[in-house]
Amino acid sequence: EAGVVQSPRYKIIEKKQPVAFWCNPISGHNTLYWYRQNLGQGPELLIRYENEEAVDDSQLPKDRFSAERLKGVDSTLKIQPAELGDSAVYLCASSSHSRQGARGQYFGPGTRLTVT
Amino acid sequence: SQKIEQNSEALNIQEGKTATLTCNYTNYSPAYLQWYRQDPGRGPVFLLLIRENEKEKRKERLKVTFDTTLKQSLFHITASQPADSATYLCALYYSSASKIIFGSGTRLSIRP
Repeated sequence: EAGVVQSPRYKIIEKKQPVAFWCNPISGHNTLYWYRQNLGQGPELLIRYENEEAVDDSQLPKDRFSAERLKGVDSTLKIQPAELGDSAVYLCASSSHSRQGARGQYFGPGTRLTVT
Repeated sequence: SQKIEQNSEALNIQEGKTATLTCNYTNYSPAYLQWYRQDPGRGPVFLLLIRENEKEKRKERLKVTFDTTLKQSLFHITASQPADSATYLCALYYSSASKIIFGSGTRLSIRP
């Protein structure tokens, strides 16, 4: 079984530029999560999808961040414009159901974003 | 707001000894408490979960305890090996919000 796939693995951009991250969850997983992880910290949830519906985006900075999950499979997270403080690792995770998230989430390798 | 505390300092253990990591939380007890392992440059990997009505859970060399009175979970690795060196994250799952909150993790180093 293929795991969660993310791309790119690394991205370096100048501040004020846009950037996008892509995630392909495990096949059959309806719930998809985007997290941000700063150095030395645990992952912080940005947004959670149930199929194509964003059911929890309370932590997403909506002035510059946007996300979509078309057809309830792949997802894209975008930042426009990027700020220096956005430098972090962006993790995508999936589970078969949000309640299954209680039984563990499957994470991708993450995208390390550096904003200069 | 809910807070989770894990040992901020790295834990260094001699190979073969038992490593014990601590996760403390404030306020409400979660429905589930999870432990993840994270290696450098990789995403967290789920290891174990324990429910609020369970006291102890085991999986191979791993053991997790959960004390809702103390608001604490302990994560044990017995017969530790250098390959166990990683950062270990605890996470609390709140069923009412279907939300997981992660601690900042404890870095564990097992020396040969």
